[in-house]
Amino acid sequence: QKEVEQNSGPLSVPEGAIASLNCTYSDRVSQSFFWYRQYSGKSPELIMSIYSNGDKEDGRFTAQLNKASQYVSLLIRDSQPSDSATYLCAVNLIYNQGGKLIFGQGTELSVKP
Amino acid sequence: GAVVSQHPSWVICKSGTSVKIECRSLDFQATTMFWYRQFPKQSLMLMATSNEGSKATYEQGVEKDKFLINHASLTLSTLTVTSAHPEDSSFYICSARDQGLAGTDTQYFGPGTRLTVL
Repeated sequence: QKEVEQNSGPLSVPEGAIASLNCTYSDRVSQSFFWYRQYSGKSPELIMSIYSNGDKEDGRFTAQLNKASQYVSLLIRDSQPSDSATYLCAVNLIYNQGGKLIFGQGTELSVKP
Repeated sequence: GAVVSQHPSWVICKSGTSVKIECRSLDFQATTMFWYRQFPKQSLMLMATSNEGSKATYEQGVEKDKFLINHASLTLSTLTVTSAHPEDSSFYICSARDQGLAGTDTQYFGPGTRLTVL
């Protein structure tokens, strides 16, 4: 079992819809969770970080964390074509040495005009 | 937000030469930086963890003598690809660890360096 799993997609949503991206992780001691956005040919850009159970909202983005079920999700409201990118879920283990992140394989999102 | 720069953004070199890539944290101090490599259509691959003032920690399968890492200050880490060959052509990305407010521990990525070895 992979440590961090995401559906590779592509996930296709119409413009204006809500895009829902999901991620599960295997290690119960994981403490920090991140969503990065990566456009083709570019480096990852931090979108959201979440550390405690519940929802965290930032503009059109909402991260949801459920440690009991070991999943973290990202909702993108009012999706725009510019949101089309690969979204990477990353997890930081509390006992991990030096803050190394474990990445999922990424979910490709396509927002159709 | 935290800013990480990389230089150069792209480089073309001849086979057998060495190439140095710099990674700088511009508005925070980073005792730890990370170096990744990414081939087209593939996932990020962590190469090594760079620790200020100590030796880097390399991931399994990464040749430490080929990919030299130096982290001489709290804002600068360098990756030198020695005796580069065409198979080393890739997108090299660094990240810097920002241990800011209590309980936060975040990595910010540089813009990447595209290396082409002829």
